[in-house]
Amino acid sequence: TQLLEQSPQFLSIQEGENLTVYCNSSSVFSSLQWYRQEPGEGPVLLVTVVTGGEVKKLKRLTFQFGDARKDSSLHITAAQPGDTGLYLCAGDGGYQKVTFGTGTKLQVIP
Amino acid sequence: DTGVSQDPRHKITKRGQNVTFRCDPISEHNRLYWYRQTLGQGPEFLTYFQNEAQLEKSRLLSDRFSAERPKGSFSTLEIQRTEQGDSAMYLCAILRTPAEAFFGQGTRLTVV
Repeated sequence: TQLLEQSPQFLSIQEGENLTVYCNSSSVFSSLQWYRQEPGEGPVLLVTVVTGGEVKKLKRLTFQFGDARKDSSLHITAAQPGDTGLYLCAGDGGYQKVTFGTGTKLQVIP
Repeated sequence: DTGVSQDPRHKITKRGQNVTFRCDPISEHNRLYWYRQTLGQGPEFLTYFQNEAQLEKSRLLSDRFSAERPKGSFSTLEIQRTEQGDSAMYLCAILRTPAEAFFGQGTRLTVV
Protein backbone atom coordinates (compact mmCIF):
# COMPACT_ATOMS: atom_id res chain seq x y z
CA THR A 1 0.00 0.00 0.00
CA GLN A 2 1.37 3.38 -1.00
CA LEU A 3 1.00 5.99 1.74
CA LEU A 4 1.26 9.75 1.42
CA GLU A 5 1.84 11.58 4.67
CA GLN A 6 1.12 15.29 4.79
CA SER A 7 2.42 17.77 7.32
CA PRO A 8 1.35 19.71 9.11
CA GLN A 9 -2.09 18.25 9.68
CA PHE A 10 -3.52 21.62 10.75
CA LEU A 11 -2.31 25.13 10.10
CA SER A 12 -3.83 28.37 11.33
CA ILE A 13 -2.11 31.57 10.17
CA GLN A 14 -2.75 35.27 9.81
CA GLU A 15 -3.53 36.82 6.47
CA GLY A 16 -0.32 37.83 4.67
CA GLU A 17 1.87 35.10 6.14
CA ASN A 18 3.68 32.47 4.09
CA LEU A 19 3.33 28.73 4.60
CA THR A 20 4.57 25.41 3.28
CA VAL A 21 2.77 22.09 3.23
CA TYR A 22 4.69 18.86 2.74
CA CYS A 23 3.69 15.57 1.17
CA ASN A 24 6.00 12.61 1.75
CA SER A 25 6.12 8.99 0.77
CA SER A 26 8.52 6.09 0.58
CA SER A 27 7.07 5.18 -2.82
CA VAL A 28 7.89 6.61 -6.22
CA PHE A 29 5.05 8.21 -8.14
CA SER A 30 4.85 8.75 -11.87
CA SER A 31 2.88 11.93 -11.22
CA LEU A 32 1.60 13.84 -8.25
CA GLN A 33 -1.41 16.13 -7.94
CA TRP A 34 -2.47 18.78 -5.46
CA TYR A 35 -6.11 19.49 -4.70
CA ARG A 36 -8.01 21.99 -2.56
CA GLN A 37 -11.30 21.09 -0.96
CA GLU A 38 -13.88 23.32 0.68
CA PRO A 39 -16.38 22.02 3.24
CA GLY A 40 -19.22 20.05 1.68
CA GLU A 41 -17.62 19.96 -1.76
CA GLY A 42 -15.42 17.56 -3.69
CA PRO A 43 -11.67 18.20 -4.06
CA VAL A 44 -10.69 20.49 -6.94
CA LEU A 45 -7.50 19.90 -8.89
CA LEU A 46 -4.86 22.63 -8.57
CA VAL A 47 -1.83 21.21 -10.38
CA THR A 48 -0.06 18.10 -11.66
CA VAL A 49 3.71 17.59 -11.45
CA VAL A 50 5.36 14.87 -13.43
CA THR A 51 9.13 15.39 -13.65
CA GLY A 52 11.49 14.99 -10.68
CA GLY A 53 12.60 18.44 -9.51
CA GLU A 54 9.79 20.16 -11.36
CA VAL A 55 8.53 23.48 -10.02
CA LYS A 56 5.16 24.92 -11.02
CA LYS A 57 3.68 28.26 -10.03
CA LEU A 58 0.03 29.14 -9.86
CA LYS A 59 -0.23 32.80 -8.83
CA ARG A 60 0.81 32.80 -5.14
CA LEU A 61 1.11 28.99 -4.99
CA THR A 62 4.38 27.22 -5.79
CA PHE A 63 4.47 23.45 -6.17
CA GLN A 64 7.62 21.36 -6.21
CA PHE A 65 8.11 17.68 -7.01
CA GLY A 66 11.07 16.02 -5.31
CA ASP A 67 14.01 14.84 -7.40
CA ALA A 68 13.24 11.22 -6.58
CA ARG A 69 9.51 11.71 -7.21
CA LYS A 70 8.67 10.54 -3.68
CA ASP A 71 7.72 13.86 -2.14
CA SER A 72 6.28 17.25 -2.93
CA SER A 73 5.69 20.62 -1.33
CA LEU A 74 3.18 23.41 -1.69
CA HIS A 75 4.23 26.92 -0.72
CA ILE A 76 1.72 29.75 -0.43
CA THR A 77 2.96 33.33 -0.37
CA ALA A 78 0.97 36.05 1.37
CA ALA A 79 -1.94 33.79 2.31
CA GLN A 80 -5.44 35.15 1.98
CA PRO A 81 -8.70 34.06 3.68
CA GLY A 82 -9.80 32.61 0.33
CA ASP A 83 -6.96 30.09 0.61
CA THR A 84 -8.71 28.44 3.56
CA GLY A 85 -9.52 24.79 2.92
CA LEU A 86 -8.26 21.23 3.01
CA TYR A 87 -5.18 20.69 0.84
CA LEU A 88 -4.63 17.19 -0.48
CA CYS A 89 -1.77 15.67 -2.39
CA ALA A 90 -2.35 12.57 -4.47
CA GLY A 91 0.02 10.22 -6.22
CA ASP A 92 -0.27 7.95 -9.20
CA GLY A 93 1.73 4.86 -8.38
CA GLY A 94 0.63 3.08 -11.51
CA TYR A 95 -1.96 0.36 -12.02
CA GLN A 96 -4.55 3.14 -12.51
CA LYS A 97 -4.80 3.68 -8.75
CA VAL A 98 -4.53 7.12 -7.23
CA THR A 99 -3.66 7.40 -3.54
CA PHE A 100 -4.55 10.51 -1.57
CA GLY A 101 -2.58 12.04 1.25
CA THR A 102 -3.77 12.52 4.79
CA GLY A 103 -4.68 16.16 4.19
CA THR A 104 -3.66 19.55 5.60
CA LYS A 105 -6.39 21.77 6.94
CA LEU A 106 -5.48 25.44 6.44
CA GLN A 107 -7.22 28.35 8.09
CA VAL A 108 -6.23 31.89 7.14
CA ILE A 109 -7.46 34.45 9.63
CA PRO A 110 -8.27 37.93 8.30
CA ASP B 1 -18.11 22.39 -13.11
CA THR B 2 -16.11 19.16 -13.11
CA GLY B 3 -18.55 17.31 -15.32
CA VAL B 4 -19.49 14.84 -12.59
CA SER B 5 -22.87 14.94 -10.90
CA GLN B 6 -23.73 13.04 -7.73
CA ASP B 7 -27.13 12.41 -6.26
CA PRO B 8 -28.29 12.89 -3.57
CA ARG B 9 -26.08 15.56 -1.99
CA HIS B 10 -27.17 14.57 1.49
CA LYS B 11 -28.72 11.41 2.88
CA ILE B 12 -29.83 10.73 6.44
CA THR B 13 -30.84 7.16 7.13
CA LYS B 14 -31.59 4.96 10.08
CA ARG B 15 -29.18 2.21 11.00
CA GLY B 16 -30.03 -1.00 9.18
CA GLN B 17 -31.57 0.67 6.13
CA ASN B 18 -30.21 0.34 2.60
CA VAL B 19 -29.05 3.38 0.65
CA THR B 20 -28.03 3.91 -2.97
CA PHE B 21 -25.99 6.75 -4.43
CA ARG B 22 -25.65 7.67 -8.07
CA CYS B 23 -22.79 9.20 -10.04
CA ASP B 24 -23.29 10.67 -13.52
CA PRO B 25 -20.32 11.80 -15.58
CA ILE B 26 -21.54 14.31 -18.17
CA SER B 27 -19.46 12.81 -20.93
CA GLU B 28 -18.17 9.29 -21.37
CA HIS B 29 -15.04 8.43 -19.43
CA ASN B 30 -13.37 5.06 -19.19
CA ARG B 31 -12.25 5.26 -15.60
CA LEU B 32 -14.68 5.99 -12.77
CA TYR B 33 -13.72 5.84 -9.12
CA TRP B 34 -15.50 5.81 -5.78
CA TYR B 35 -13.87 7.19 -2.65
CA ARG B 36 -14.97 7.59 0.95
CA GLN B 37 -13.88 10.54 3.05
CA THR B 38 -14.30 11.26 6.74
CA LEU B 39 -14.05 14.76 8.14
CA GLY B 40 -10.64 16.38 7.71
CA GLN B 41 -9.07 13.27 6.17
CA GLY B 42 -8.02 12.45 2.65
CA PRO B 43 -10.31 10.38 0.42
CA GLU B 44 -9.90 6.61 0.72
CA PHE B 45 -10.16 4.47 -2.38
CA LEU B 46 -13.14 2.13 -2.50
CA THR B 47 -13.40 0.79 -6.04
CA TYR B 48 -12.98 1.68 -9.67
CA PHE B 49 -14.40 0.84 -13.08
CA GLN B 50 -12.83 0.64 -16.50
CA ASN B 51 -15.91 1.08 -18.66
CA GLU B 52 -18.45 -1.33 -17.15
CA ALA B 53 -15.88 -3.66 -15.60
CA GLN B 54 -15.18 -3.31 -11.88
CA LEU B 55 -11.41 -3.86 -11.78
CA GLU B 56 -10.49 -3.36 -8.16
CA LYS B 57 -12.16 -3.25 -4.77
CA SER B 58 -10.60 -2.01 -1.58
CA ARG B 59 -10.69 -4.05 1.60
CA LEU B 60 -12.71 -1.13 2.96
CA LEU B 61 -15.54 -2.33 0.75
CA SER B 62 -17.26 -4.93 2.92
CA ASP B 63 -19.87 -7.38 1.65
CA ARG B 64 -22.52 -4.79 2.49
CA PHE B 65 -21.20 -2.52 -0.26
CA SER B 66 -21.81 -3.06 -3.94
CA ALA B 67 -21.09 -0.87 -6.94
CA GLU B 68 -22.22 -1.11 -10.52
CA ARG B 69 -21.66 0.66 -13.80
CA PRO B 70 -24.06 -1.18 -16.08
CA LYS B 71 -23.48 0.60 -19.38
CA GLY B 72 -20.13 2.15 -18.71
CA SER B 73 -21.67 5.56 -18.13
CA PHE B 74 -23.35 6.27 -14.76
CA SER B 75 -22.50 4.31 -11.63
CA THR B 76 -24.30 3.39 -8.42
CA LEU B 77 -22.98 2.57 -4.98
CA GLU B 78 -25.28 0.68 -2.63
CA ILE B 79 -24.79 0.13 1.07
CA GLN B 80 -26.95 -2.52 2.69
CA ARG B 81 -27.79 -2.67 6.38
CA THR B 82 -26.10 0.64 7.09
CA GLU B 83 -24.06 1.10 10.27
CA GLN B 84 -23.07 4.30 12.06
CA GLY B 85 -19.51 3.77 10.91
CA ASP B 86 -20.68 4.18 7.32
CA SER B 87 -21.32 7.89 7.97
CA ALA B 88 -18.98 9.75 5.63
CA MET B 89 -18.76 11.69 2.38
CA TYR B 90 -18.90 9.39 -0.65
CA LEU B 91 -17.10 10.86 -3.63
CA CYS B 92 -17.19 9.83 -7.26
CA ALA B 93 -14.44 10.85 -9.65
CA ILE B 94 -13.41 10.40 -13.25
CA LEU B 95 -9.74 10.21 -14.07
CA ARG B 96 -8.01 11.83 -17.00
CA THR B 97 -4.41 11.31 -18.05
CA PRO B 98 -2.02 11.27 -16.38
CA ALA B 99 -3.96 10.75 -13.14
CA GLU B 100 -6.03 13.87 -12.67
CA ALA B 101 -9.23 13.27 -10.75
CA PHE B 102 -12.34 15.33 -11.32
CA PHE B 103 -14.75 14.88 -8.49
CA GLY B 104 -18.45 15.28 -8.07
CA GLN B 105 -19.73 17.27 -5.13
CA GLY B 106 -20.14 14.11 -3.11
CA THR B 107 -22.96 12.53 -1.13
CA ARG B 108 -22.87 13.17 2.61
CA LEU B 109 -24.28 10.12 4.40
CA THR B 110 -25.38 10.29 8.01
CA VAL B 111 -26.50 7.09 9.70
CA VAL B 112 -28.51 7.67 12.87
